[in-house]
Amino acid sequence: AQSVTQLDSQVPVFEEAPVELRCNYSSSVSVYLFWYVQYPNQGLQLLLKYLSGSTLVKGINGFEAEFNKSQTSFHLRKPSVHISDTAEYFCAVVGTGGFKTIFGAGTRLFVKA
Amino acid sequence: DTGVSQDPRHKITKRGQNVTFRCDPISEHNRLYWYRQTLGQGPEFLTYFQNEAQLEKSRLLSDRFSAERPKGSFSTLEIQRTEQGDSAMYLCASSLTGLAGEKETQYFGPGTRLLVL
Repeated sequence: AQSVTQLDSQVPVFEEAPVELRCNYSSSVSVYLFWYVQYPNQGLQLLLKYLSGSTLVKGINGFEAEFNKSQTSFHLRKPSVHISDTAEYFCAVVGTGGFKTIFGAGTRLFVKA
Repeated sequence: DTGVSQDPRHKITKRGQNVTFRCDPISEHNRLYWYRQTLGQGPEFLTYFQNEAQLEKSRLLSDRFSAERPKGSFSTLEIQRTEQGDSAMYLCASSLTGLAGEKETQYFGPGTRLLVL
């Protein structure tokens, strides 16, 4: 079984500042990792995913994440945030042989002018 | 590719009533998932179909919940005798089997927000 911990429930940041949203996971098997973004009253949109290969993954809207197997982490970063990045961000994991995606509780990113 | 659609987007009902939600996945996707999301939480897995077969059902899904995907295309989720605790956002997602990892890449619909009074 897998589990996901998002270490920060809320992250306030000023516009154009860098941001890192932290995610740690636990699993006894190899995993695939995902970050999704959810805007108010909407479904989840895939930001990026790690399946294999390079541990640095680039996604949409200027976000990137780095898979660190030894630290079981998959932190999300953006060098310069915009007001429009204000949303809820979810880290998710699924075992490579499975289908059930486990989501973290989410991190609310609030970008201030 | 028009994405995953869900209907209705919002539903208000009285306790004890039955409700049914519909999900239309991306057309070539053969896997379909239902999740429930409560305020301040991530989505929780409810059930999963591969084509028309329901292959897994979470313990969260009580006997009052039933899901179908009769022709391997759209799916319905029915809740009978609704309770206030059923109030949540119900999300549908779909994926395509194929390359390793791609089948786990799920594309989500906008959700149906249910409020039980």
